[in-house]
Formats: sequence, structure tokens, C-alpha cells
Amino acid sequence: KNEVEQSPQNLTAQEGEFITINCSYSVGISALHWLQQHPGGGIVSLFMLSSGKKKHGRLIATINIQEKHSSLHITASHPRDSAVYICAVFKYSGAGSYQLTFGKGTKLSVIP
Amino acid sequence: DSGVTQTPKHLITATGQRVTLRCSPRSGDLSVYWYQQSLDQGLQFLIQYYNGEERAKGNILERFSAQQFPDLHSELNLSSLELGDSALYFCASSGLAGGGSYEQYFGPGTRLTVT
Repeated sequence: KNEVEQSPQNLTAQEGEFITINCSYSVGISALHWLQQHPGGGIVSLFMLSSGKKKHGRLIATINIQEKHSSLHITASHPRDSAVYICAVFKYSGAGSYQLTFGKGTKLSVIP
Repeated sequence: DSGVTQTPKHLITATGQRVTLRCSPRSGDLSVYWYQQSLDQGLQFLIQYYNGEERAKGNILERFSAQQFPDLHSELNLSSLELGDSALYFCASSGLAGGGSYEQYFGPGTRLTVT
């Protein structure tokens, strides 16, 4: 079993729909990253959070440390949101260092 | 634009060869991380450097090595290349302190194709 599980693996939505992507992890973490990878391959950091909720434009990320679960929501989805969304957790790897462990990503396609 | 630069963008080479990938972190960032993204494995952490010193190692093969120079740029050296080394290699940099879980900023990646 992967330490970081994302669901769904693939998601197709109509423009304007509300979208939720889930991330569950099985290890103790200090923080969690949500990343967006565009079809060209570039990776953009969307959020880093260790508790509660963060909002940026139409994107909202929440995390529940006790339940080891995070969600990424997209309101009023748009075709330009089409990308792979990757959840990554910061896990302590010893000697004062943290290491990112990644989920396999959720491929989102938003249809006009 | 994350402020992290990587060169080259694309690299095509033959099996058995050696290549060097280069990364310049954001101004002021002391930590550099290297990641490999292959089709079957997804993103995997390879190695982290902080202010010139190796800080953490992930799934890095013995054929691969890295270093961070006094000007903080980093190089990832891949030798005795195999077909399975074909992947996207990303570099990321983070905050002023090493070791903490600081937000990481990713470079555009280097696409390596081994033929």
C-alpha cells in the first residue's frame, strides 16, 4: 500500500462544476503540499498546509491531521484547470531533514 | 515562474553514457532537492542538499550522484545510463533554513531520453 493515496485517479467534469480531490496518508507528517502539473510537465505549488484550511482564488485546500486526510476543492471549474493534481506529504527522514513522498496524482479534465 | 532554473530542457543520449543536469535555486534558497518522474513510478525523491552538504537521500541509484556548489547551484550526475533512466528530472528549492518542511518551488524539469 502506498503511503500517500489519492482519489480519484481520473476525473472528468463539466465546466462550472465543483470538484473535490482527496488525499489520504498513512505516515506521520509535518505538512502537506498540493501541486499542479500541467500537460507540458511543469509543476506549480498550489498550497502547503499543516492544519485547517487555505483558500486561493477558486482553490480551497483542507487538512485533518488526526484523520490523516486532505482535500483539494475547485469551485466553478474551468477548462484551464485541466491538469494533474499531486498530493505530497512531508515526512521526517531523520537528521533534521524532511522528505516529500508523493501520491500518484489525479488527472482532471474539465470539458467546456 | 518559480525562480528555479534547470538546464538543459531536453537531453537525448545513448545507453552507457553519462550526463549532467544543472539546477539553480531561487535567490536566497539554501536547500535543493532532486526528483525523478517516470511514467510507471510517478514522482520520487532522489536527494537533498542544504548549503553545500548532503542532507537526505531517497531512492537514488549508486550510478547517480549530486553536489551543491558554493554559489548554491546543484548538479545531478547520471552515469552508465540505462533505458529505464528515461524520465523527467525536477529540481526544487526551498526556504532559508534546511531541514524544515518549507514550501518547495519546482524548476521546469529536464526531460532525459536514453536510447
